[in-house]
Amino acid sequence: SQTIHQWPATLVQPVGSPLSLECTVEGTSNPNLYWYRQAAGRGLQLLFYSVGIGQISSEVPQNLSASRPQDRQFILSSKKLLLSDSGFYLCAWRETSVDYNEQFFGPGTRLTVL
Amino acid sequence: GQNIDQPTEMTATEGAIVQINCTYQTSGFNGLFWYQQHAGEAPTFLSYNVLDGLEEKGRFSSFLSRSKGYSYLLLKELQMKDSASYLCASMDSNYQLIWGAGTKLIIKP
Repeated sequence: SQTIHQWPATLVQPVGSPLSLECTVEGTSNPNLYWYRQAAGRGLQLLFYSVGIGQISSEVPQNLSASRPQDRQFILSSKKLLLSDSGFYLCAWRETSVDYNEQFFGPGTRLTVL
Repeated sequence: GQNIDQPTEMTATEGAIVQINCTYQTSGFNGLFWYQQHAGEAPTFLSYNVLDGLEEKGRFSSFLSRSKGYSYLLLKELQMKDSASYLCASMDSNYQLIWGAGTKLIIKP
């Protein structure tokens, strides 16, 4: 069965500090991978998605970046955090080799920028 | 533009039935999804409709009308644990999910 891991679960960082959030998926090959952000009481905002190693599409221009160094690893980074970067960050994956279309989410990282 | 509309909040009584509506407008259509999200947790998949009609899964059912750009999630025999936010999402022609802001469902005893 497939599982998705995210860490850390919570993070408190000062403004201007760097960020690295990691997501890994087990039990599948060549998944589509996604990074979302959810502000308090709001819907999910797609930040980045990837259809393969080294292939990153950015949906929202901002001070965040993403990388996919391995097939099942997706990393979200920032060089300098802003207050507005606070939120709930969710990684998700989707199977692409079959007709199943649903996305499955990791447990999320709650980021507070002070 | 792309848009998903659903009510912000609904209240229902334990044991009753509630219907959460969603209207969507996306560039192309590859299905309508419903997810459940408990406070502080990640969303979990509930249902997927790509053809018109009603899909039933235990206490939960989901309906789709593609001509009307409309879906609803029906929850029967409500339990306190059903208190959560319910997210509607439409998959566009690029297989990206366009998300609604979610409907917070409050269940009262």
